[in-house]
Amino acid sequence: GAVVSQHPSRVICKSGTSVKIECRSLDFQATTMFWYRQFPKQSLMLMATSNEGSKATYEQGVEKDKFLINHASLTLSTLTVTSAHPEDSSFYICSARGLAVSYNEQFFGPGTRLTVL
Amino acid sequence: AQSVTQLGSHVSVSEGALVLLRCNYSSSVPPYLFWYVQYPNQGLQLLLKYTTGATLVKGINGFEAEFKKSETSFHLTKPSAHMSDAAEYFCAVSFSGGSNYKLTFGKGTLLTVNP
Repeated sequence: GAVVSQHPSRVICKSGTSVKIECRSLDFQATTMFWYRQFPKQSLMLMATSNEGSKATYEQGVEKDKFLINHASLTLSTLTVTSAHPEDSSFYICSARGLAVSYNEQFFGPGTRLTVL
Repeated sequence: AQSVTQLGSHVSVSEGALVLLRCNYSSSVPPYLFWYVQYPNQGLQLLLKYTTGATLVKGINGFEAEFKKSETSFHLTKPSAHMSDAAEYFCAVSFSGGSNYKLTFGKGTLLTVNP
């Protein structure tokens, strides 16, 4: 149980385009979802936290107009990287927690590798 | 504010040897502590966690960790390393009721296992 999926697993796009990444909780209702960014050989950096039906809370230094997060339902959150540039290339990982499944634990998706040319 | 320090960005052991990955935390309230493993180009998999109760926690793949409040530590051990244990390991901390149980991660320790 408590499976989180991400789509796509890998995306390559041209500079200036927008890219949407989906994060889904497959077998539980996710009251909170988290978006992380990970640079090569580094730790995870929390970008934002979103609760279903509410606006996302962004961490300091993360551009909210650049990284749009929508948590429209209890099983889906999306991260849109707007006007992507090469410096946005990274590994993006989402996680989710739900009140009914080990409430104090986050379940992680497999990640999305974004490459901006 | 809470923080996590993982001592040693890279640990190398021989197959069959003891694995010890160190983690110290800082938290002003009782912490929840986690160890995750990450294989290349994959997400994080939970190895084990401490929330309350028994301070020696057993996880998957033969790993265990002991919460030592007096030392503010949560070191990860495995008696005998296997080649498949080679991966990146992250220690993380959160606390009850705080910011949706937001996790703070250590910088990670890369474990290599030599044949």
